[in-house]
Amino acid sequence: DTAVSQTPKYLVTQMGNDKSIKCEQNLGHDTMYWYKQDSKKFLKIMFSYNNKELIINETVPNRFSPKSPDKAHLNLHINSLELGDSAVYFCASSQAGGARTEAFFGQGTRLTVV
Amino acid sequence: AQSVTQLGSHVSVSEGALVLLRCNYSSSVPPYLFWYVQYPNQGLQLLLKYTSAATLVKGINGFEAEFKKSETSFHLTKPSAHMRDAAEYFCAVSVRSNNDMRFGAGTRLTVKP
Repeated sequence: DTAVSQTPKYLVTQMGNDKSIKCEQNLGHDTMYWYKQDSKKFLKIMFSYNNKELIINETVPNRFSPKSPDKAHLNLHINSLELGDSAVYFCASSQAGGARTEAFFGQGTRLTVV
Repeated sequence: AQSVTQLGSHVSVSEGALVLLRCNYSSSVPPYLFWYVQYPNQGLQLLLKYTSAATLVKGINGFEAEFKKSETSFHLTKPSAHMRDAAEYFCAVSVRSNNDMRFGAGTRLTVKP
């Protein structure tokens, strides 16, 4: 069983399109995250959801919107895609209130905007 | 906010040699520290973590790290490198007041035959 799963694994799309990346975790965790990894491997947190509440929102363009239908899912919707959005996006989850607990990561979604 | 700095974006060692990957943290409160490994085209996998118990932490694949408060460091070591250790390694920090885990820029480890 995959603990944190993302779909799709690869996504190629044209500028201006709208796309979504889905994420599901079966670990029973209360907190889920989205990270962006750029071409230099730098990881930046984008969003964090705890019990359906957004608790961290770094300076991410409002074209990016996380959507959580339930605590096992945190999808990422991106409007009006730009070339600079090309990156690998990772979903992760951890126990709520557990700064001492590690995050479990999905395999990543490689987004290429052409 | 808490942060980590990884010294050296690329480390190259020979197979069988000591591996030392450096990480320094900055935090106004006691931190929790983590090391993750990322193999090509994969997600991040936890190697080990420090959560204010023993300062010397042992992880998977023969890796260990020592928390040194006086030096604000959490360096990762392995006595003898294997070819399969070649990967990207990330140090990360979080604090009790939030769930905001911050990552370093990563260190690419290359192991030469």
